[in-house]
Amino acid sequence: DAGVIQSPRHEVTEMGQEVTLRCKPISGHDYLFWYRQTMMRGLELLIYFNNNVPIDDSGMPEDRFSAKMPNASFSTLKIQPSEPRDSAVYFCASSQKTGYGYTFGSGTRLTVV
Amino acid sequence: GQQVMQIPQYQHVQEGEDFTTYCNSSTTLSNIQWYKQRPGGHPVFLIQLVKSGEVKKQKRLTFQFGEAKKNSSLHITATQTTDVGTYFCAENAGNNRKLIWGLGTSLAVNP
Repeated sequence: DAGVIQSPRHEVTEMGQEVTLRCKPISGHDYLFWYRQTMMRGLELLIYFNNNVPIDDSGMPEDRFSAKMPNASFSTLKIQPSEPRDSAVYFCASSQKTGYGYTFGSGTRLTVV
Repeated sequence: GQQVMQIPQYQHVQEGEDFTTYCNSSTTLSNIQWYKQRPGGHPVFLIQLVKSGEVKKQKRLTFQFGEAKKNSSLHITATQTTDVGTYFCAENAGNNRKLIWGLGTSLAVNP
């Protein structure tokens, strides 16, 4: 398996623009997580899905953030409009049902200028 | 709310020295997972501990779960430069698969 695949690896955008981050989880993993990592706040869980259904989005900062999982092999995290404070590394991770750790993607480094 | 505290926040060691990071909780932990994140990389799952007093080894890494299940430790024997990174502990507190993360211990190894 190729692991969790995220794209793009790097994204530089101007404030106010829409940003879409993409994730392909490992086949057979029922859980998908979106995390944000910064030096100041560490790893923050934004939202997670179970069997493509959003379970907990309490970590989503505000209405500018939205996430979808239209099928078991694809998820997106969208920021619209983007702001400089959104600059961070965004990780997608997937996991099997029980007893296993998370597998993280390589992340998307987002810079909003 | 649930909290998992990790100490120390940073550690510098000379190559060949041992290193230990600790994970503590005021409440009983269901289980503990450990992850390693290399600089510029992503967290990589190392191991999960479930049973009280459990000890697991991976080459030079020894993982322990306290008897009361309120603490855990990761010990690295004879550190190498390849051990550089941040080590995170995390608890999976329920069936929802949501992890509660520590803030991590960053390890620097001087060659």
